[in-house]
Amino acid sequence: AQSVTQLGSHVSVSEGALVLLRCNYSSSVPPYLFWYVQYPNQGLQLLLKYTTGATLVKGINGFEAEFKKSETSFHLTKPSAHMSDAAEYFCAVSGSGNTPLVFGKGTRLSVIA
Amino acid sequence: GAVVSQHPSRVICKSGTSVKIECRSLDFQATTMFWYRQFPKQSLMLMATSNEGSKATYEQGVEKDKFLINHASLTLSTLTVTSAHPEDSSFYICSARLPGPSVPGTQYFGPGTRLTVL
Repeated sequence: AQSVTQLGSHVSVSEGALVLLRCNYSSSVPPYLFWYVQYPNQGLQLLLKYTTGATLVKGINGFEAEFKKSETSFHLTKPSAHMSDAAEYFCAVSGSGNTPLVFGKGTRLSVIA
Repeated sequence: GAVVSQHPSRVICKSGTSVKIECRSLDFQATTMFWYRQFPKQSLMLMATSNEGSKATYEQGVEKDKFLINHASLTLSTLTVTSAHPEDSSFYICSARLPGPSVPGTQYFGPGTRLTVL
């Protein structure tokens, strides 16, 4: 069984400040981990993913995340927030094969000018 | 990149009618598609997994006779909400899994369909 916990349903940062969105997972098999972003009334857009190999993964829009097995974490970061980053962010986990994605509850990011 | 479309983007219907939502993978073949439901300010809830040429697998608590899923081709899956009621009003999102070992588990999402039942 797999699960995802996103700490903080709402995170607010100033424009230009560091963005840190936390995600911890639970998985009985080696996990595949994902971050998606959702803008209002839209579907989800893949930001980045970890499958195997390098534990620091870079995604679109300047985001990156680091897989830390010892901490069962996959936190999302961006050095400098931009107003356009304001959105809902979802962390998700899946196993191999055709297992569906399991999503966290989401974190709403607000960026203050 | 992989593109998934949904149609319609928004639909309003009367209580008791049926509504069909289409999900298409535009530039790849998807043997597996997923249907999610999302309530306001909440996460996505998986409703069912749709496999081309076979019956859909529904999650616990999802009425398969109410939410009919058909995956007739490698690029099209449809979700029909039968005898819709106001409590079925929600944002429905489909996704398709990109095939191949190089991108395990990766799903690409459609833009969603906002269903409002009056």
